[in-house]
Amino acid sequence: EAQVTQNPRYLITVTGKKLTVTCSQNMNHEYMSWYRQDPGLGLRQIYYSMNVEVTDKGDVPEGYKVSRKEKRNFPLILESPSPNQTSLYFCASSADRAQAQYFGPGTRLTVL
Amino acid sequence: GDSVTQMEGPVTLSEEAFLTINCTYTATGYPSLFWYVQYPGEGLQLLLKATKADDKGSNKGFEATYRKETTSFHLEKGSVQVSDSAVYFCALRPLSAAGNKLTFGGGTRVLVKP
Repeated sequence: EAQVTQNPRYLITVTGKKLTVTCSQNMNHEYMSWYRQDPGLGLRQIYYSMNVEVTDKGDVPEGYKVSRKEKRNFPLILESPSPNQTSLYFCASSADRAQAQYFGPGTRLTVL
Repeated sequence: GDSVTQMEGPVTLSEEAFLTINCTYTATGYPSLFWYVQYPGEGLQLLLKATKADDKGSNKGFEATYRKETTSFHLEKGSVQVSDSAVYFCALRPLSAAGNKLTFGGGTRVLVKP
């Protein structure tokens, strides 16, 4: 089954404690993205990757890092989380720039 | 910059009612337009899309027509069911953006009552 998986699905942490949210896709997609969803704001892109070792900033990259060492994986790293990063996070992938994106189930993060 | 504006919800309807969710956009050129649906507790799923002016996207009884003259992509369904209760997002893919970035509207929550 074609899918995008994310782990963990729920996470409560404290300010300053480094965390990683994993994302994996089994569709051999070139493009992957991270978004955050906040009430009334829709989804905003954090980072994207066009291929292995190729990443770039989206609209709201501050406080986040990503890496793309393998085609299927695109982890999101918060080196020092802060309460304003409390949000619902989605990973997405697509075969190329023109194709529709497939979204993961989301990770709800709370930073105390 | 590019932006998407959609009507605020929640929209509450009775089963078999007609649904319209308005979506307008601001963008350079002819972006691709999308509607995504998010069911409770799930990720977003592509509902339909249109890639050029006057294209009509359709899926599961939902339709939307790409109107360049009014920069709109309104979502419609003739007879909603309880299972259509979800949050609906209008989105565009800017022509100028690198990568596969989508610009989303704020989402419209739809609640269909039996």
